[in-house]
Amino acid sequence: TQLLEQSPQFLSIQEGENLTVYCNSSSVFSSLQWYRQEPGEGPVLLVTVVTGGEVKKLKRLTFQFGDARKDSSLHITAAQPGDTGLYLCAGDFSGYSTLTFGKGTMLLVSP
Amino acid sequence: DVKVTQSSRYLVKRTGEKVFLECVQDMDHENMFWYRQDPGLGLRLIYFSYDVKMKEKGDIPEGYSVSREKKERFSLILESASTNQTSMYLCASYGTAGNTIYFGEGSWLTVV
Repeated sequence: TQLLEQSPQFLSIQEGENLTVYCNSSSVFSSLQWYRQEPGEGPVLLVTVVTGGEVKKLKRLTFQFGDARKDSSLHITAAQPGDTGLYLCAGDFSGYSTLTFGKGTMLLVSP
Repeated sequence: DVKVTQSSRYLVKRTGEKVFLECVQDMDHENMFWYRQDPGLGLRLIYFSYDVKMKEKGDIPEGYSVSREKKERFSLILESASTNQTSMYLCASYGTAGNTIYFGEGSWLTVV
């Protein structure tokens, strides 16, 4: 079983602060996805990164895929209370979309 | 919009009961998945299916079975529910034409 280490597990910040969440593995991903999950709901896809070194932006969210395709980061600029949720990274090691998930980062943004 | 629908949001079952969790997707996706999500453990893959009548074990298949008689429907079966199967169960589907996996809203199962 491939392992994905996600850090930090919990993050409590004030509105307007910046933050970064990390996702690391000892194995190479064929692709990596970031999800956001709200309480009582299923995860919703934010982005998929495929190419080493790739950077994708989604409004205030910046996603980066490491050059070696073994790690990724999610950076949120000027966090808002609406960003509160569980952020999950998921790696596809096999190329067949059987995703391996990190344990998630629970983000709480206070007004 | 793609829709993955899980038939039951909240269930309470007794130990030893047979439990069926149903999942239907409306996008003609070939691949369907069942995960369970537990605090501190994240999402773990139970079973997946890449075609009708095909199934593959995931990381934690013990105590579960699945059925895929029609392309749009993937059922998770707990033959004899146990308290350690209390969890949130998530169904997902994925089509080979794209690279987006869609999740259902989840089924909260409590086994007492």
